[in-house]
Amino acid sequence: AQKITQTQPGMFVQEKEAVTLDCTYDTSDPSYGLFWYKQPSSGEMIFLIYQGSYDQQNATEGRYSLNFQKARKSANLVISASQLGDSAMYFCAMREADFLNSGGSNYKLTFGKGTLLTVNP
Amino acid sequence: EAQVTQNPRYLITVTGKKLTVTCSQNMNHEYMSWYRQDPGLGLRQIYYSMNVEVTDKGDVPEGYKVSRKEKRNFPLILESPSPNQTSLYFCASSSASGGAFLRETQYFGPGTRLLVL
Repeated sequence: AQKITQTQPGMFVQEKEAVTLDCTYDTSDPSYGLFWYKQPSSGEMIFLIYQGSYDQQNATEGRYSLNFQKARKSANLVISASQLGDSAMYFCAMREADFLNSGGSNYKLTFGKGTLLTVNP
Repeated sequence: EAQVTQNPRYLITVTGKKLTVTCSQNMNHEYMSWYRQDPGLGLRQIYYSMNVEVTDKGDVPEGYKVSRKEKRNFPLILESPSPNQTSLYFCASSSASGGAFLRETQYFGPGTRLLVL
C-alpha cells in the first residue's frame, strides 16, 4: 500500500483564487511529520510547510496552510491567492519514526507522486 | 549562504562507465541522503548517512554505492551504470542533533540529471 497518496495528477486554478491539493497518508506510527515541497520546472525542491502529528493547530506559512485532519489521515495543502509563480509540481511527504527498521535513525522522507499545479492568468 | 551543492548538474554517459556524483553541504548537518526521482514515482531514497562513516541502504540501493568520509560530503557512486539508472538525482541533508527530529527540514541540492545510454 502506498504511504502517501496524491490523487490529483494535475490541477488548474485561476490567478488570485485559492486551491487545495490533496494528500492522504498511511501510517501506524503515532509520531510522524508531514511536509509539502514545491518543485518548479527548474527542478529544485523547495520546502513549503510542515505539520507534526501532535501539533494541535494547522500549520500556516504565508499563503500556504495545511488542512490537517488526523482521523482521516489527510494533510491537504491550501494555497491562497494563487500567483503565476505557483505553477509547479507539489509533493506531499511523510517522515515516520521508523524505529522498527532503523531504530529511528533514518530521517527518510516518503514522497507521494506529486500534483502538477497550473495557474492560469 | 546555507546550501547543498551537487556536481555535475547534467551528465550523459554510456553503460558501464563508472561515475561519481558529488554532494556537499555547508550547514554541518549530520544526516545526508540520496534520492532518485522518476516520472510518476515521486522521489525514492537510495542511501542515507547518519554521520561520518555511518551509511545504510534506502529503498532502491541496487547499483549504487556511497561513502561518508567527511561530514560535509556524501558522494554517490555508480560503478557500472545501466540505462535504468537514467533519472534525476537529489542529495539532501538535515540536522540530526536535536530532539525533535521529526520536524527537521530536509534541504535539497539542485539535482543531477543523468542519462545512461
